[in-house]
Amino acid sequence: DQQVKQNSPSLSVQEGRISILNCDYTNSMFDYFLWYKKYPAEGPTFLISISSIKDKNEDGRFTVFLNKSAKHLSLHIVPSQPGDSAVYFCAASAGGGADGLTFGKGTHLIIQP
Amino acid sequence: EPEVTQTPSHQVTQMGQEVILRCVPISNHLYFYWYRQILGQKVEFLVSFYNNEISEKSEIFDDQFSVERPDGSNFTLKIRSTKLEDSAMYFCASRLRTGSYEQYFGPGTRLTVT
Repeated sequence: DQQVKQNSPSLSVQEGRISILNCDYTNSMFDYFLWYKKYPAEGPTFLISISSIKDKNEDGRFTVFLNKSAKHLSLHIVPSQPGDSAVYFCAASAGGGADGLTFGKGTHLIIQP
Repeated sequence: EPEVTQTPSHQVTQMGQEVILRCVPISNHLYFYWYRQILGQKVEFLVSFYNNEISEKSEIFDDQFSVERPDGSNFTLKIRSTKLEDSAMYFCASRLRTGSYEQYFGPGTRLTVT
């Protein structure tokens, strides 16, 4: 039962170009979405989030787009840098008091020089 | 910058033994969580804790698991009788307040059950 899906296990992008990571969800109750970055042997690091009442949120090089009708979100990184190489997780919350996050399986982003 | 800390970084235990994993959440945060990640799989929610009681728990969080906030700073996860399939990375996370959904994760404890 994959409520949050990241269909690309890995993605290779040249340094300086745009990285686009995709995420789909099935649960209509999700109303808040987050992206996390994870290096090996470390915990997930919060990157950027978006509420379901918005369709775009931007923070520096990172932009998240949300298409509610398609139940799809994407993370854009522009320009991509070598330090961006990591596993990126999409996560979703159904809101409310203390809901746990539902994570996707992650996409391993590799930035090539 | 405040961060979530976890101890130990690696715990090895024998099947059937009890383990306690420790976390110190960010000091002014009100919501606390445990997640686990079995090798090669996704991060899975275990339990959330607010106002000194469990708010939500997943199917994974059965009677073998318990959580406690024994003092004003620590948050612990106890597994009473470990099984081989409990081997995983366990992450603690904390969240500031209602209306703020960002959860901040610790570095994790790698639990190996032999």
